[in-house]
Amino acid sequence: QQQVKQSPQSLIVQKGGISIINCAYENTAFDYFPWYQQFPGKGPALLIAIRPDVSEKKEGRFTISFNKSAKQFSLHIMDSQPGDSATYFCAASMVGGSEKLVFGKGMKLTVNP
Amino acid sequence: DTGVSQNPRHKITKRGQNVTFRCDPISEHNRLYWYRQTLGQGPEFLTYFQNEAQLEKSRLLSDRFSAERPKGSFSTLEIQRTEQGDSAMYLCASSPSAGEAFFGQGTRLTVV
Repeated sequence: QQQVKQSPQSLIVQKGGISIINCAYENTAFDYFPWYQQFPGKGPALLIAIRPDVSEKKEGRFTISFNKSAKQFSLHIMDSQPGDSATYFCAASMVGGSEKLVFGKGMKLTVNP
Repeated sequence: DTGVSQNPRHKITKRGQNVTFRCDPISEHNRLYWYRQTLGQGPEFLTYFQNEAQLEKSRLLSDRFSAERPKGSFSTLEIQRTEQGDSAMYLCASSPSAGEAFFGQGTRLTVV
């Protein structure tokens, strides 16, 4: 049973475009939703995270949109750059319970110059 | 560098051998996690410490796997009698509180 489902699996965008990655979760007890960026051979790096008491959070070119009723959240990367080419993972955890992160399968983003 | 440190970065071992990995978390982070990542997949939770107490273990963690965090600082993950299916990236993360976790660069294990 996959608790966090991520789509699409891969995405190619042009420099300056908007990249959108979607995630859906099943467990309504999840209350912390981070996005991680991973380059080949490196560990995941925390990009941005949101808790369900807000519907949107923006940090620089990265925005998380959160829809609690639909149990979905998404990452928007504005003005995508070639340096953003990486694999992006959404995750979820229960801050007040089991604190482990449950990850999606990842999305490989390629930003063409 | 004050990030999470993992050693070694790479390990090649023969099937049946034991291996041990070390993780040094960010200073003063009381939470420490181990995850395993295989190619094309997201990290999968293995185990979690708060200070020196091991609070949760995944069912993925067979009897051949053991983790310790003896003084609530660094942690070790040992795999006994390695199998080819153990080949993966082993990731350590630390956190100052529930929620955000900061990962190390990982230890890539290859069992031949």
